[in-house]
Amino acid sequence: GAGVSQSPSNKVTEKGKDVELRCDPISGHTALYWYRQSLGQGLEFLIYFQGNSAPDKSGLPSDRFSAERTGGSVSTLTIQRTQQEDSAVYLCASSIRQGSYGYTFGSGTRLTVV
Amino acid sequence: ILNVEQSPQSLHVQEGDSTNFTCSFPSSNFYALHWYRWETAKSPEALFVMTLNGDEKKKGRISATLNTKEGYSYLYIKGSQPEDSATYLCAFMGDSGAGSYQLTFGKGTKLSVIP
Repeated sequence: GAGVSQSPSNKVTEKGKDVELRCDPISGHTALYWYRQSLGQGLEFLIYFQGNSAPDKSGLPSDRFSAERTGGSVSTLTIQRTQQEDSAVYLCASSIRQGSYGYTFGSGTRLTVV
Repeated sequence: ILNVEQSPQSLHVQEGDSTNFTCSFPSSNFYALHWYRWETAKSPEALFVMTLNGDEKKKGRISATLNTKEGYSYLYIKGSQPEDSATYLCAFMGDSGAGSYQLTFGKGTKLSVIP
């Protein structure tokens, strides 16, 4: 596609439920990144995928968070047993490959845990 | 934990004024420095990717400089316009030597241009 597509754009969920956030990167971009922005905070790195290499999961805040990228394209970020502190805007970005290339961001998913 | 600091946190300028803000980052293991513009209700948009000490980049009225030895970058906006109102983010990419590269973002400088 022309840009990075994320869905849903908004999600309200009850505490304890699982949620899945989807990211469709730009075709041909081998690197895909997940970030989140909590209220009053900067963008926080979560995980990134580069081609077929093992993902860098060093930013995932707990084992309730996981992500996969199927076929080197679409990625899904899953949050299990959501907590109120998971409320944030979750942004996905892609780039041609890792390294000194600019990121193209999606418009984000605003997650609210009530 | 990498520290990427931006100052000021927010800034109000009159239309037509020129302005600049600062990003400071670790001076070791430098790989790249990115600048993004994030307008309300939109996605962050890449402005510059800078990799070499002394780099200067320009895009219209916006320019940026880079000093990797002392760990800072400046973003300049000449003749600010209301459409320049946005949060400007810088992000540091370090070379850990492990082949894994990801950006650490500052909290941004929020610019408001008053018509």
